[in-house]
Order: sequence, then structure tokens, then C-alpha cells
Amino acid sequence: AQRVTQPEKLLSVFKGAPVELKCNYSYSGSPELFWYVQYSRQRLQLLLRHISRESIKGFTADLNKGETSFHLKKPFAQEEDSAMYYCALSGHDYGQNFVFGPGTRLSVLP
Amino acid sequence: EAGVAQSPRYKIIEKRQSVAFWCNPISGHATLYWYQQILGQGPKLLIQFQNNGVVDDSQLPKDRFSAERLKGVDSTLKIQPAKLEDSAVYLCASSEWERGEQFFGPGTRLTVL
Repeated sequence: AQRVTQPEKLLSVFKGAPVELKCNYSYSGSPELFWYVQYSRQRLQLLLRHISRESIKGFTADLNKGETSFHLKKPFAQEEDSAMYYCALSGHDYGQNFVFGPGTRLSVLP
Repeated sequence: EAGVAQSPRYKIIEKRQSVAFWCNPISGHATLYWYQQILGQGPKLLIQFQNNGVVDDSQLPKDRFSAERLKGVDSTLKIQPAKLEDSAVYLCASSEWERGEQFFGPGTRLTVL
């Protein structure tokens, strides 16, 4: 069965420090990976998807099929990056559709 | 454009009672999703509609949960009867096509006493 794990429930970094939010997945086929973000008192929203291969708000994520990982990175964290981050996977078969990880709360300290 | 609308925003019921949630997706979005998010966990997909047909309901507890999307627009999710473990936020999302970017509503927070 497909599964997404995010080992850190909470990650605290200082402003200007690099950030890496870890995401590992298990899936037998070729998945599509996403990062969703929820800022305080806002709705869950898409941050980026691996097929786009673009940088959003300074964040990037590379799909590593060998390590089955899709870590989210940003070289210099900003206070406005503080939010809940969810890694998600989309499969292709019935019963293997959209799966979210448990989430990591990023806190960027001044 | 207007976002995904959900109502009610909050609901408190006693166990064994029934409850219904409503979702109005973004106009023109063919795909609609219902998720259950228990405190401290990520959203769990309950059911996915493509227009008014069900694409995936493998994780929907069908003995007590039901959902419909008449005319391929609005959708309702019902729980009958509710259990304590159903306490969660119920999120609705829509996307223009299957596997497109999902746009989420504000959610309905359900508390079962």
C-alpha cells in the first residue's frame, strides 16, 4: 500500500538558516509527489509538485526514486515560512489515490 | 475566482446522531474530494468524484458514511450514526481535472460527544 512518512512533527530553525523538511514514500509504481502548505488561519494549498520542477517561494523539492524521498528545501528561511507542511503522493490505481503524510510544523524563529 | 465553500464551519453532535456537510466546489471543477483530518494527522481521502461519478471510495466507512454529488456540482457528505472517533475536520477540495491542483475549502470541524 502506498504510504507517506514525515519523520519530524516539529522543526524549528532561525531566520536565514537553511531548511529541509523530510518526506519519504512507499509506492510500487511511478508516483506523483506534492508539497501542500497550511499557513495559520488559512486553507490548505498546493506549494509545489515534482513534475513542475519549479521553485515556489524559494522552496525546491527533488524526487529521488532510489531513496524514495521528496525532501523540501529552502536555503534561507523566512519568518513567513512558518506553517504546517504536508507531503502527498498520488498513485494511479483504484484505492491508491491521494495520500497525505502526517505533516511537519515549521517554526522560523527571529 | 470564488473558492471552495463549505458549511457548516462547526458542528457539535452527540454520538449516534446524524450529521451532513455541504460543499460547493469552484465553478467548472470536475473533480471533487472529501477528506477527513483527525487532529495531529494529515488529511485522509474518503471519496473522490469525477463529475457525478465516484472514482475512489475505498476508504469511506460505508456502513455509516455516504456522499453524493448530484448534477456534478455540489456535494454532501453524511454520517449516520456518528461515533466518537468521527470527531475531525472534514475538508472538501476540488480540481479542474483528475490529478490537477486541488483547491481546499475551509473545512467543517465536527465534535462528537
